[in-house]
Amino acid sequence: SAVISQKPSRDICQRGTSLTIQCQVDSQVTMMFWYRQQPGQSLTLIATANQGSEATYESGFVIDKFPISRPNLTFSTLTVSNMSPEDSSIYLCSVAGGSSNQPQHFGDGTRLSIL
Amino acid sequence: SQQGEEDPQALSIQEGENATMNCSYKTSINNLQWYRQNSGRGLVHLILIRSNEREKHSGRLRVTLDTSKKSSSLLITASRAADTASYFCATASLAAGAQKLVFGQGTRLTINP
Repeated sequence: SAVISQKPSRDICQRGTSLTIQCQVDSQVTMMFWYRQQPGQSLTLIATANQGSEATYESGFVIDKFPISRPNLTFSTLTVSNMSPEDSSIYLCSVAGGSSNQPQHFGDGTRLSIL
Repeated sequence: SQQGEEDPQALSIQEGENATMNCSYKTSINNLQWYRQNSGRGLVHLILIRSNEREKHSGRLRVTLDTSKKSSSLLITASRAADTASYFCATASLAAGAQKLVFGQGTRLTINP
């Protein structure tokens, strides 16, 4: 399976600031996704990162708060904007092939704490 | 909203025993995937079972799928301390967008030496 590298692995940020998380894959992948895992909770899909076009956001998530880029088939970024303590979570990127019955693989995640 | 419901929420057993975790879901699916997460780290993919499959094995792992009951189970045999982790089921459906995963709440498994 693809090797997925996320940076940073963790960060502590001040409220009101923004942080960009990077996801790099060692091979071209069709699908890239961003998930959020709030403390003690399960994973929730934020958006699908589309190569060369705007991301597709899930209900409850908006582009102004979570802008996403995907300039090519191996790289994506997620920015968490104007952060508040409620944004303290683990953010994970995942990748999948183009067919509907392929496994989805995850990076190690970015643990974000907002003071 | 979360589609998958898992039980138990927490499970503690002795090393060497078998651990069974269950997952239920609400809508038709393309496949169901099981993941392991060690203490706030990333998710490790364990098994994908398609909607037309009933059982799959991988090493000490056995997954079953009953689409009539909309449920799945993950069995870990001969458990080891290293199996201590949270386990999540996730479903993929055409209705949701074939590759989007909807996760259950997870089961926290503790293996006692």
